[in-house]
This record gives sequence, C-alpha cells and structure tokens, in this order.
Amino acid sequence: GENVEQHPSTLSVQEGDSAVIKCTYSDSASNYFPWYKQELGKRPQLIIDIRSNVGEKKDQRIAVTLNKTAKHFSLHITETQPEDSAVYFCAIQRAASKIIFGSGTRLSIRP
Amino acid sequence: ETGVTQTPRHLVMGMTNKKSLKCEQHLGHNAMYWYKQSAKKPLELMFVYSLEERVENNSVPSRFSPECPNSSHLFLHLHTLQPEDSALYLCASSQDGDYEQYFGPGTRLTVT
Repeated sequence: GENVEQHPSTLSVQEGDSAVIKCTYSDSASNYFPWYKQELGKRPQLIIDIRSNVGEKKDQRIAVTLNKTAKHFSLHITETQPEDSAVYFCAIQRAASKIIFGSGTRLSIRP
Repeated sequence: ETGVTQTPRHLVMGMTNKKSLKCEQHLGHNAMYWYKQSAKKPLELMFVYSLEERVENNSVPSRFSPECPNSSHLFLHLHTLQPEDSALYLCASSQDGDYEQYFGPGTRLTVT
C-alpha cells in the first residue's frame, strides 16, 4: 500500500551545522509534501511545504527539495540553533483526506 | 480562544468506561481530522470529516466512534477500550483546497 519512509529516526548535530532529513514514498499521485515540527509537549506545526510542480523551496534557514522521479524529498536546516531541537515529520498528500505521515525524526542540537 | 482546542487534555479511563473527546476549531475550516499518536505509530490518521460528512475511516476499531455535528465541532466517543489504545489523540482541521493541517494540543488518554 501507500507509505512513506523517513530517515534517520534520530539525528544529533552540532549547533551551527546543517541537518538533513529524507523521506521516500511510493504513491506517485501525491502532489503535496509538507514538513511538520513538533516540539516536546506541543502540537505539530507546519514549517514548510512543497507542491509537485516545484523542485525546491526555501524559507530562511529551512529548505525542502523534491525529486518526483525518484520519489523522495528532503528537509534541509542550515545554521542549526537550539530551538531547532524537535521531532520532524514529513507527509505525503494527494487530497485533503489522503495524508500519510512519516515515522518522524528526533533532531537534537548539541551546544 | 483561537485555533483548535481539545478537551479534556488528560483522561484516565477503565476498559469498561464510556467517555468522549471533544475538539473545536475557530478557524472557519470545513474539514476535521482525528489522529492517534503513539510511540509505535507517531501520527496515524483515524477519521476525516469534510463538510460534516465522514470521508475517511482508516480501519479503526468500532470501539472508536466519531461524530461531527457541525463544521466547528468534532467528537470521538470511546467505549470498551484496550490498554493499547493509550496514546495522544490529536484533532486537526483544514480548509478544503488548502492541505495544511492545524492541530489541537491533544488529549493524553490512558486506559487502565
């Protein structure tokens, strides 16, 4: 069935370094690829998204790249800061009711 | 209060109890969702309501029964739950045509 695999499950980086999280998927009909951030004890919140007609999108220190042919997309965080520590979820979606989340990546930023 | 709210925030119930979770959205959205978040499956979609009609039911056991009386309110009725149903239950809403999910703070459910 449709699924999305997210790697790595945990990631620890030095403050100031970059972090990359990757998701691969199987549903070729997916056309919306969001990333959500969930801080400890808080609700998930959208941080960036990309649609299938775009290859890359950037918002300050975060960026998302999409390769539809290879069916994978990645989240890039540059110049990491302590407040970037959280669990990050990717998702694939092809309709409002058809959304599947990845298993999450716990990102820790070392001071 | 703005955004998506959920009550109660914490709930402990026995396996023979009946309880309900409530979600309310103040964003004018027309789609609402129930998710289960646990250590085994971090964000698992359970039900989707669009324009107050259920459009998705991801093979959820019948001991979970959703209700959407209007576009602003969503309930999850619980009965004869199992200990493995202990999890964080998140409600979310979105506007048709815009896929972004707006999550509530969740209800931490413990089944004893």
